[in-house]
Amino acid sequence: QSVLTQPPSVSAAPGQKVTISCFGSNSNIVTQYVSWFQQLPGSAPKLIIYDNYKRPSGIPDRISASKSGTSATLGITGLQTGDEADYYCGAWDSSLSAWVFGGGTRLTVL
Amino acid sequence: QVQLQESGPGLVKPSETLSLSCTVSGDSVNSGSYYWSWVRQPPGKGLEWIGNIHYTGRINYNPSLKSRVTMSVDTSKNQFSLNLSSVTAADTALYFCARANYFYYYMDVWGKGTTVTVSS
Repeated sequence: QSVLTQPPSVSAAPGQKVTISCFGSNSNIVTQYVSWFQQLPGSAPKLIIYDNYKRPSGIPDRISASKSGTSATLGITGLQTGDEADYYCGAWDSSLSAWVFGGGTRLTVL
Repeated sequence: QVQLQESGPGLVKPSETLSLSCTVSGDSVNSGSYYWSWVRQPPGKGLEWIGNIHYTGRINYNPSLKSRVTMSVDTSKNQFSLNLSSVTAADTALYFCARANYFYYYMDVWGKGTTVTVSS
């Protein structure tokens, strides 16, 4: 059981938009910065969002994120087959004094 | 370009200690701007944070693993290491090392990962 809760899977057609939710609590999402990671099949995770909404260099602006209350949301527009991956949210948990990940969401581009 | 490379035995016997190292290139483990982290992923499952270490000795461990985990930094080799004692089959996983932001702990550079199987 992960501290952060994500839907196991989402899907959408190429060119469409998809959102992935991440639910937490006061000790993590509400009071800490949220990050998002993309893990392509057979690859290591890659940071795609940090500090709630910032994109590292090289991450396209069709990837965005936001946070409100106990939830965070990752959005991807103009879906491509290359976006098929597992996506994880993560944040520091001040009660646990530990980093916590969501359980991951598998994105399928139909 | 910063790169991290995990190394260590791919097979560990139950009850023994898993030992992994991560060699850093393109950055220094004694750079005060980062923590150095370990994350694992059991087969077919999600990511689990193991812990992180700063070269000054500051350490954070996953509470669920804290009693079995030891991390260290070797500045002479520009490496950091993970020891996980009393392993069981549940510790079989792909182990990643990663660089983490000093203030907010997010991991911005990852190694490719190394598979460790616990089996007799």
